Amino acid sequence: GQNIDQPTEMTATEGAIVQINCTYQTSGFNGLFWYQQHAGEAPTFLSYNVLDGLEEKGRFSSFLSRSKGYSYLLLKELQMKDSASYLCAVRPRPIDDKIIFGKGTRLHILP
Amino acid sequence: GAVVSQHPSWVICKSGTSVKIECRSLDFQATTMFWYRQFPKQSLMLMATSNEGSKATYEQGVEKDKFLINHASLTLSTLTVTSAHPEDSSFYICSARVLGTAGVGELFFGEGSRLTVL
Repeated sequence: GQNIDQPTEMTATEGAIVQINCTYQTSGFNGLFWYQQHAGEAPTFLSYNVLDGLEEKGRFSSFLSRSKGYSYLLLKELQMKDSASYLCAVRPRPIDDKIIFGKGTRLHILP
Repeated sequence: GAVVSQHPSWVICKSGTSVKIECRSLDFQATTMFWYRQFPKQSLMLMATSNEGSKATYEQGVEKDKFLINHASLTLSTLTVTSAHPEDSSFYICSARVLGTAGVGELFFGEGSRLTVL
């Protein structure tokens, strides 16, 4: 089966840095995605990792270790608008197949 | 990024009726679309993979006769919830993937359709 784990909720302060972890056990691996979802809205794509290492995109960075089945999303200089759910997702098979989502981490930003 | 449009955004229906939800790729062609369901404070659960010109592939535990999927063209997939019951009330989201050298195969999502069955 496929299993993707991430914390249910996290709280951080405006201006700070937060790291959201994700571990996965899947039948195969062909890429890991992070999505952001605000309440009542559709998810939007944040980042993609397929090779080990860190991918940086503005205030957001994502890291992958394939040998450990582990990824994290790092959010810097937190803003109130970053309050949302962050979904870790894995594509187990080649590029034309489905993406499996974790249960998401609800991030609360305090002023 | 690519645009996926979903309609309707909200629908309320009586128990026992059927509801159709449309998913369109507006600026690209999608041979494959994915239908997800999301319950409150839960993550996205893949229901089925919609394939243009052929039968949909359903995930384990999803009733294909209850959730009818039709992908008649390269830009349109429809999900029909037949004989809807209150437990079918949920947020249904479609997505599609743009393939090509510029993309990594990420999914682009429609706006979602919130179904409430009375």
